[in-house]
Amino acid sequence: DAKTTQPNSMESNEEEPVHLPCNHSTISGTDYIHWYRQLPSQGPEYVIHGLTSNVNNRMASLAIAEDRKSSTLILHRATLRDAAVYYCILSNSGYALNFGKGTSLLVTP
Amino acid sequence: ETGVTQSPTHLIKTRGQQVTLRCSSQSGHNTVSWYQQALGQGPQFIFQYYREEENGRGNFPPRFSGLQFPNYSSELNVNALELDDSALYLCASSLGWRDAEAFFGQGTRLTVV
Repeated sequence: DAKTTQPNSMESNEEEPVHLPCNHSTISGTDYIHWYRQLPSQGPEYVIHGLTSNVNNRMASLAIAEDRKSSTLILHRATLRDAAVYYCILSNSGYALNFGKGTSLLVTP
Repeated sequence: ETGVTQSPTHLIKTRGQQVTLRCSSQSGHNTVSWYQQALGQGPQFIFQYYREEENGRGNFPPRFSGLQFPNYSSELNVNALELDDSALYLCASSLGWRDAEAFFGQGTRLTVV
């Protein structure tokens, strides 16, 4: 699988939008972009995924660059419960997900 | 709808021993994957089972093996435990092997001493 690059950590204030970046310059045409998050002491939780077009769901939005070499996960209003490690993963299927180190998001009141 | 459950939650084993970890998939899911998460790292894919057959394997030695049963529950077996096997072992189930959304359990924390 192609590699992704994410910042080690980010900080946000509660109730503000958060933009989590992910670079994936070696993405192939069949790679989907998946986002998972892992809250402390829990297993990962699916957030969103996409291929080419921007995607929205109840949890977040995924903005994908036109050349697909980068993407941004958008949390519209951060809450304390959103404090977690966020993983950006490329996979041409839904399985064999290899998580990197992710971005640790701190949300402050 | 029940979620993914794993047992036991914690386990301590001695180097050289064997261990079996168990996972019950979410209702209706025929695919289960196992992951190893070392402290401070992201989860790493071990293997996946789809309808009782191994459907893919990550970079793990053969002493890591698995089974999936007709009810789609699963086991992860690790033989000849090494200290580096100490990790959180996560099970994830999905509706199909290509399904993008995997549901993870809370994991089994294995400590090898």
